Amino acid sequence: GNSVTQMEGPVTLSEEAFLTINCTYTATGYPSLFWYVQYPGEGLQLLLKATKADDKGSNKGFEATYRKETTSFHLEKGSVQVSDSAVYFCALSRGGSNYKLTFGKGTLLTVNP
Amino acid sequence: EAQVTQNPRYLITVTGKKLTVTCSQNMNHEYMSWYRQDPGLGLRQIYYSMNVEVTDKGDVPEGYKVSRKEKRNFPLILESPSPNQTSLYFCASSLGSGREDTQYFGPGTRLTVL
Repeated sequence: GNSVTQMEGPVTLSEEAFLTINCTYTATGYPSLFWYVQYPGEGLQLLLKATKADDKGSNKGFEATYRKETTSFHLEKGSVQVSDSAVYFCALSRGGSNYKLTFGKGTLLTVNP
Repeated sequence: EAQVTQNPRYLITVTGKKLTVTCSQNMNHEYMSWYRQDPGLGLRQIYYSMNVEVTDKGDVPEGYKVSRKEKRNFPLILESPSPNQTSLYFCASSLGSGREDTQYFGPGTRLTVL
């Protein structure tokens, strides 16, 4: 079956620290992979995506590389800001259909000034 | 402004009282979905729709109904709500089903069933 396992939170960092949130997946076929972000009191926003192996998605200083050999899609940012405080969700598309998403449980990130 | 809207944003109800949460998108998207978000479980897909009058079950469809009579609307119906349906619900839509398509999420509806 399809599943996403992401790093347990919460994660607390100081401003300008390096961020890694681990995400591994199990899937049949060749899914697309996503990171969504949820700011307090808001819905989910797409942060970045990758549609095939070795693709790197990037946005707002965040990056993640689709690693088929390790079935991973770790989220990284070199220098976090207070405004990055949010819940981050890793997700995959089931059967290659981007309207059928399986999500991880989410990782709460808090960045302190 | 391109958006997905949901109503109501907050709802407190009692067990067994039928309710409907509406979802509407103004982007002419073909695909629409409903998810529920629970602490420690992330988001789980309830139902999705590929077009008008075409719907299918997601991972957790029990206790829910949907309909897609118009392209822009995709209401979620709880015929007889129970306390285990207390959750945060999100509607989402996407233009197509391909790898380059992206789901856009609504702001969420927080439902409490007493």
